[in-house]
Amino acid sequence: GQSLEQPSEVTAVEGAIVQINCTYQTSGFYGLSWYQQHDGGAPTFLSYNALDGLEETGRFSSFLSRSDSYGYLLLQELQMKDSASYFCAVDSNYQLIWGAGTKLIIKP
Amino acid sequence: DGGITQSPKYLFRKEGQNVTLSCEQNLNHDAMYWYRQDPGQGLRLIYYSQIVNDFQKGDIAEGYSVSREKKESFPLTVTSAQKNPTAFYLCASSIVGEKINNEQFFGPGTRLTVL
Repeated sequence: GQSLEQPSEVTAVEGAIVQINCTYQTSGFYGLSWYQQHDGGAPTFLSYNALDGLEETGRFSSFLSRSDSYGYLLLQELQMKDSASYFCAVDSNYQLIWGAGTKLIIKP
Repeated sequence: DGGITQSPKYLFRKEGQNVTLSCEQNLNHDAMYWYRQDPGQGLRLIYYSQIVNDFQKGDIAEGYSVSREKKESFPLTVTSAQKNPTAFYLCASSIVGEKINNEQFFGPGTRLTVL
């Protein structure tokens, strides 16, 4: 079967750094994506890793290790507006296979 | 402005009725997708289409139907055969072919409630 595992909830303090992990097991793999979804809203694209290593986009970074079938999203200098659900998704031959999402709770 | 529109935002239907959800995009994307999201869960693929007049079943296609007569439009019909249709439905589109990151662009969603 195909599956992605990520923590259901993570809590952090405003201004801190948080890491959201994702492990996957899929039949095809072209890359790992991360999306953000605020309550009641639509997912929005954050990052994509096709090759091993770290990709940085402002306060957000994403890492991939294909040999370990593992990736993570790193959020720095957390702001209250970062409170949302974060989804990892495997790009598998014209489809995205989605994890269940990690709810990020930020405390002042 | 380019984007994806879905209508209506909220939809109520009586049990046993079919209902059609609209999805329109002006991004000139070839691929379009329909997802279902239940509370606290990820997105599950219902149907997708990579080209006009062609579409493929996703993981949970039973009880749903789609059409792709125009590049810009990909309506989803929730039929009475869908046993538990109350959910948040999301439409998305993406470029096909030379993919950089396979980014999918989402509409605002339709929240369907069966009474």
